[in-house]
Amino acid sequence: DADVTQTPRNRITKTGKRIMLECSQTKGHDRMYWYRQDPGLGLRLIYYSFDVKDINKGEISDGYSVSRQAQAKFSLSLESAIPNQTALYFCATSDPLSLAGSDTQYFGPGTRLTVL
Amino acid sequence: LAKTTQPISMDSYEGQEVNITCSHNNIATNDYITWYQQFPSQGPRFIIQGYKTKVTNEVASLFIPADRKSSTLSLPRVSLSDTAVYYCLVVPVDRDDKIIFGKGTRLHILP
Repeated sequence: DADVTQTPRNRITKTGKRIMLECSQTKGHDRMYWYRQDPGLGLRLIYYSFDVKDINKGEISDGYSVSRQAQAKFSLSLESAIPNQTALYFCATSDPLSLAGSDTQYFGPGTRLTVL
Repeated sequence: LAKTTQPISMDSYEGQEVNITCSHNNIATNDYITWYQQFPSQGPRFIIQGYKTKVTNEVASLFIPADRKSSTLSLPRVSLSDTAVYYCLVVPVDRDDKIIFGKGTRLHILP
C-alpha cells in the first residue's frame, strides 16, 4: 500500500552496527506496528503504538527499540545488530474505526535486512 | 487474547472451492474474526472480517457458527494467483490489545 512507506527497502549490515528502519504513513492512522517475518514463522509483533505517547512491547521486543516521532512516523532501531535479526520487517498502521473492518491493518512493502 | 489454530498448509486445484478452517476456542464476546492474505515478499492484506453467521464480499466468504469457536474462510473457484499464506486473527474491538498473526495457512493452488 503506497500510503505506508518503509525505508530502506533493503539493507545489509554487519554484526554490532546500529540500524534504524523507518516507516511513514499518510493514512492518518493513530496506530502503528512493527513486525518481523522469518521463513516458516509467520509474522511476529515487535512493538506497537496506539498513539504518539503510547509504546508497547510485542511478542519479540528484545534487541529492538522504537520511536514514535509523530503520528505519521514510527522508527525501529536495532542497537547492536546480530545475525539472527536477519529477516523481513514490516510496518503497519490501523484505524480501530475503519469502515473496511475493525482495526484493519495496512502494511508497508517491507524492509529486507541482512546482518552478516 | 484468543489463540487461533489453522492448518499449516493446503493444496487445491484451479477452479475448485477452497475452505480454510480456523479454531479460536477462547474468543471473547466482543472479538471479531479477521482474515488476511499474504503473497511472497509482500505485506499481508485484509480479506474479510466477521462477527457471526456469514459475511461475503467480492473476494471470499466467511462462515462463523453460533458458538463462534471456529470460522471458515471460503475462496470460490480459486486460480493460481490465490496461492498465498492466509492468516486467521481474532481482533478485540472493546479494548486496546495487540493482534497476533501466527503462522497462517500456506495455500498452494495447482493447475
